[in-house]
Amino acid sequence: QQQVKQSPQSLIVQKGGIPIINCAYENTAFDYFPWYQQFPGKGPALLIAIRPDVSEKKEGRFTISFNKSAKQFSLHIMDSQPGDSATYFCAASRQIGNQFYFGTGTSLTVIP
Amino acid sequence: DGGITQSPKYLFRKEGQNVTLSCEQNLNHDAMYWYRQDPGQGLRLIYYSQIVNDFQKGDIAEGYSVSREKKESFPLTGTSAQKNPTAFYLCASSPRATGNTIYFGEGSWLTVV
Repeated sequence: QQQVKQSPQSLIVQKGGIPIINCAYENTAFDYFPWYQQFPGKGPALLIAIRPDVSEKKEGRFTISFNKSAKQFSLHIMDSQPGDSATYFCAASRQIGNQFYFGTGTSLTVIP
Repeated sequence: DGGITQSPKYLFRKEGQNVTLSCEQNLNHDAMYWYRQDPGQGLRLIYYSQIVNDFQKGDIAEGYSVSREKKESFPLTGTSAQKNPTAFYLCASSPRATGNTIYFGEGSWLTVV
């Protein structure tokens, strides 16, 4: 059973566009929602994260929107650049047990 | 440099042979994890350990084994019982036994021929 569902599987945007990646979860005990960026042949790197007590968090060109009632969260990349082309994973975790559950990933391609 | 070191980066093995992947961290993190990554399937948890000398099975533990004799080290062994072991393997660690985020190593490519 997939604890975190991520969509779309792949995404192609023009440079300057705003790709949006969506994730949904079921377990209301989750209290931490990070996003990871992975380049080919490399390990995922933490990009930005949010806790359920806020509805939005921005770090540079990356924004997480969080909807607690809908149990959904999304990543927005403002003014996307070709260097943003990578695979993005959402995840969810809870403090008890320290387990992390990952989405299936979204392959983003930003066309120059 | 502080971080998570996985070795080897690339490993080729014949079918039926056991293989061990190394993972060392100098971040003083309590928890360590092994994930397997296959195309289109995201990250699947193999084993995790929250403290030394203790570890738990993840979603796809069959055919794998681990040990956690030292806080810094969490090696993964794939046995001959593991079906289709060819994949990208990621080791990760987390600062506390409960809560906080997870950090990944650079990964190891295992190809079984």
